[in-house]
Amino acid sequence: NAGVMQNPRHLVRRRGQEARLRCSPMKGHSHVYWYRQLPEEGLKFMVYLQKENIIDESGMPKERFSAEFPKEGPSILRIQQVVRGDSAAYFCASSPPGLAVTDTQYFGPGTRLTVL
Amino acid sequence: GNSVTQMEGPVTLSEEAFLTINCTYTATGYPSLFWYVQYPGEGLQLLLKATKADDKGSNKGFEATYRKETTSFHLEKGSVQVSDSAVYFCAYTGGGADGLTFGKGTHLIIQP
Repeated sequence: NAGVMQNPRHLVRRRGQEARLRCSPMKGHSHVYWYRQLPEEGLKFMVYLQKENIIDESGMPKERFSAEFPKEGPSILRIQQVVRGDSAAYFCASSPPGLAVTDTQYFGPGTRLTVL
Repeated sequence: GNSVTQMEGPVTLSEEAFLTINCTYTATGYPSLFWYVQYPGEGLQLLLKATKADDKGSNKGFEATYRKETTSFHLEKGSVQVSDSAVYFCAYTGGGADGLTFGKGTHLIIQP
């Protein structure tokens, strides 16, 4: 059973470009979470999605950031017009259907975004 | 607001030493508590968890007990190994939040 897959593992963008990060949850998982880890910091929750629905986006910056989890295919975190402050590691996690608050979240290896 | 406080690092120990990494949380309701470990260049792996008061989570010689009266979930190991060198994150879910709330992480360095 493959774990949570993220790609690309490393992404370099110039200021003003768009970054698209992909996450495929574990087989059978229907909950996806995105987190951002700034250098020397812990992870910060960004958004929680189920298939075709955004459940909680309280941690998402109000501008330039969006996320989706379509019926088919991976979840996508999209950052438009990137700035240097967006440089970070972005982690995706997934959990099975059910009471999400007690379920373990399984993390992918992360995408390390560098904005030049 | 909701938060997790864990001891600052780096923590440097000799092999076979006793380990304690303190963690306290501020949350409403009855959160579930977790310890995750992150090895260099990798994602987070669940180390152990506890979902209700007085539960003890354990794995690979690590233990932590959910203490609601002190809102703590301290990580302990009786005899650490060089391979335990990593960053350890305390976290919880619940308390009104959908995602995990993480502490800043504690970098553990074990010397031979």
